[in-house]
Amino acid sequence: EVQLVESGGGLVQPGGSLRLSCAASGFTFSSYWMHWVRQAPGKGLVWVSRINSDGSSTSYADSVKGRFTISRDNAKNTLYLQMNSLRAEDTAVYYCARERTYYYGSGSYGRFDYWGQGTLVTVSS
Amino acid sequence: DIQMTQSPSSLSASVGDRVTITCRASQSISSYLNWYQQKPGKAPKLLIYAASSLQSGVPSRFSGSGSGTDFTLTISSLQPEDFATYYCQQSYSTLTYTFGQGTKLEIK
Repeated sequence: EVQLVESGGGLVQPGGSLRLSCAASGFTFSSYWMHWVRQAPGKGLVWVSRINSDGSSTSYADSVKGRFTISRDNAKNTLYLQMNSLRAEDTAVYYCARERTYYYGSGSYGRFDYWGQGTLVTVSS
Repeated sequence: DIQMTQSPSSLSASVGDRVTITCRASQSISSYLNWYQQKPGKAPKLLIYAASSLQSGVPSRFSGSGSGTDFTLTISSLQPEDFATYYCQQSYSTLTYTFGQGTKLEIK
C-alpha cells in the first residue's frame, strides 16, 4: 500500500525556518517525481515545488523561490522541504504528493495520484 | 506562467442532477489537464487525468473532456458523497503545475 506521511509542521515566528519531511512507503520512491502542495486556511490548492526522481532537477513557485528548498534522500525514502525566511502568508497545510506519468502517443501526462495527509505550518508571532 | 480559471466558483445542485464544471487555461495545454476532488479536512483525490482518463477506482459517473484551453468535468448523476470542492490542474509545464481556484459543489 502506498503511503506518504508528512511531519515537521508547527508554529514558527516570522523570519524563522522549518523543515518538513515526507516519508514514503509501498512503492519504489526513487522512480518517481515528488511535489509539495500547500493550502492556506479556507483557500485553494497551490503548487509549491517539485523534484525529479534522482534529485538533479527542481522547480519552485515564484512565491517561494529563493526561500524554500526541496530535496530527497532516496536511501531513506524521504522527501524534504526546507523553508526559510517564513512569512505569515506561508501559513498553510503542506501536502506531499507523488507524480505518476501516463505515456500516450508523443505525450507524457503527469498526475498526482497519491497524497499525504498534510502537516500544518503556522507562521505567527 | 500558465493560469487556470474554473467556473463557476460555487454551485448548488441536488442528488441525481447532472453537473458540469469548466476549466480554462491561459494558453494551450493540449490534454495535460487533471481533476481532483477534495473534501473538508482531507487530502485531494485524483479523479481524471490527461483530460479524459478515469483514475482507477473512480466511479464512472465522473467524466472529463476537452483539449487545448477549454475543459469540462461532468458528474452524470450526483450522489451524496460527491458534494466537495473540485480543482483542475495543468501538467503541461513541468516547471509549474498550476491549479484552478476550485469549485465548491454544495447541496441545494
